[in-house]
Amino acid sequence: AQRVTQPEKLLSVFKGAPVELKCNYSYSGSPELFWYVQYSRQRLQLLLRHISRESIKGFTADLNKGETSFHLKKPFAQEEDSAMYYCALEGAQKLVFGQGTRLTINP
Amino acid sequence: SQTIHQWPATLVQPVGSPLSLECTVEGTSNPNLYWYRQAAGRGLQLLFYSVGIGQISSEVPQNLSASRPQDRQFILSSKKLLLSDSGFYLCAWSPSLRYGYTFGSGTRLTVV
Repeated sequence: AQRVTQPEKLLSVFKGAPVELKCNYSYSGSPELFWYVQYSRQRLQLLLRHISRESIKGFTADLNKGETSFHLKKPFAQEEDSAMYYCALEGAQKLVFGQGTRLTINP
Repeated sequence: SQTIHQWPATLVQPVGSPLSLECTVEGTSNPNLYWYRQAAGRGLQLLFYSVGIGQISSEVPQNLSASRPQDRQFILSSKKLLLSDSGFYLCAWSPSLRYGYTFGSGTRLTVV
């Protein structure tokens, strides 16, 4: 069965500090992993996907198959990064989400 | 370009009343379609998904059902709402695997 775990419901860091949002997954096949973000009063939107190996808004995420993790990182947090972040795993034609981490960037 | 429409944006319904939420996608054909529920403290829960007309897969047994009468239309229904059906319902579509999903703006359902 597919499962995604985000151990932190809430994360608060100061502006300019590094950010790491943790995500661990469980899946017997070859996973496709994503991070989604929901800013206040906006739609849930795709932030990045591991297959693209991209950096969006300064965020990166590396798939570690040995640790079954896909942590989201940014070296210097900005206030506009405050949002709800969801890690998601796609397999068997469906996308399964973690419970989400609410990130708050303090000025 | 592709767009996804979901309505209504908010809905207040009494317990025992029926429900019909509609989602349509424009600018694409044969999309994969999904219904999720977003509840506080529980993240995003996949309810139903469809890979084609008339094909519905249910993830969670509950008081809801889904139908796909047309290629780009996905409907979430209930014959009799329960208080526990309250929540934020999101429709999403995907052109194929590995490209991520695009979400609608959601429907806030309150059952009273």
